[in-house]
Amino acid sequence: NAGVTQTPKFQVLKTGQSMTLQCAQDMNHEYMSWYRQDPGMGLRLIHYSVGAGITDQGEVPNGYNVSRSTTEDFPLRLLSAAPSQTSVYFCASSYLSTSGNTIYFGEGSWLTVV
Amino acid sequence: EDKVVQSPLSLVVHEGDTVTLNCSYEVTNFRSLLWYKQEKKAPTFLFMLTSSGIEKKSGRLSSILDKKELFSILNITATQTGDSAVYLCAVAGANSKLTFGKGITLSVRP
Repeated sequence: NAGVTQTPKFQVLKTGQSMTLQCAQDMNHEYMSWYRQDPGMGLRLIHYSVGAGITDQGEVPNGYNVSRSTTEDFPLRLLSAAPSQTSVYFCASSYLSTSGNTIYFGEGSWLTVV
Repeated sequence: EDKVVQSPLSLVVHEGDTVTLNCSYEVTNFRSLLWYKQEKKAPTFLFMLTSSGIEKKSGRLSSILDKKELFSILNITATQTGDSAVYLCAVAGANSKLTFGKGITLSVRP
């Protein structure tokens, strides 16, 4: 009963380094997404996917890449980390539905870029 | 671009008070509006609203949606210190894309 699993939970990066935040879900959800959360800003959508092989940009995509090669996995790549990317990152997933569905969140990844 | 605005951004109340949290939205192809509670970790689900005028209740919390005026309210009666949290409103639009508001920070004083 894993739900949405994110790794790592905590990470410190140096400016210019690259890294990948992993996200996996075992609920066969079509929709997966990445959000970042900064103080006073709520959750802002970075990228999302409605199925394997399909990704799209959200509100704040710059500096991040994603891919969706399988239904289960949706990794988020930071290409060249910057201090402005210090944030808490949440992965989330849900079924696609014309009437809306509850979205399930991972536990979050706390990233600090120094 | 989809937009969700929550108000007030923060409020402080005393235990036993009743609070009303507001959420207005503009979204293409509206599917649902969701409320979440967040306490220093991942948001936890409270309600999903899809139809106007139908109140959803869970204990001291209730919520209602007005699709004509494009807003929702979350009511909390007889507040307790455990209700202190950030309350997030989100709207699902085309492709189930979920757009969040900035959140309302509620502090309940003993």
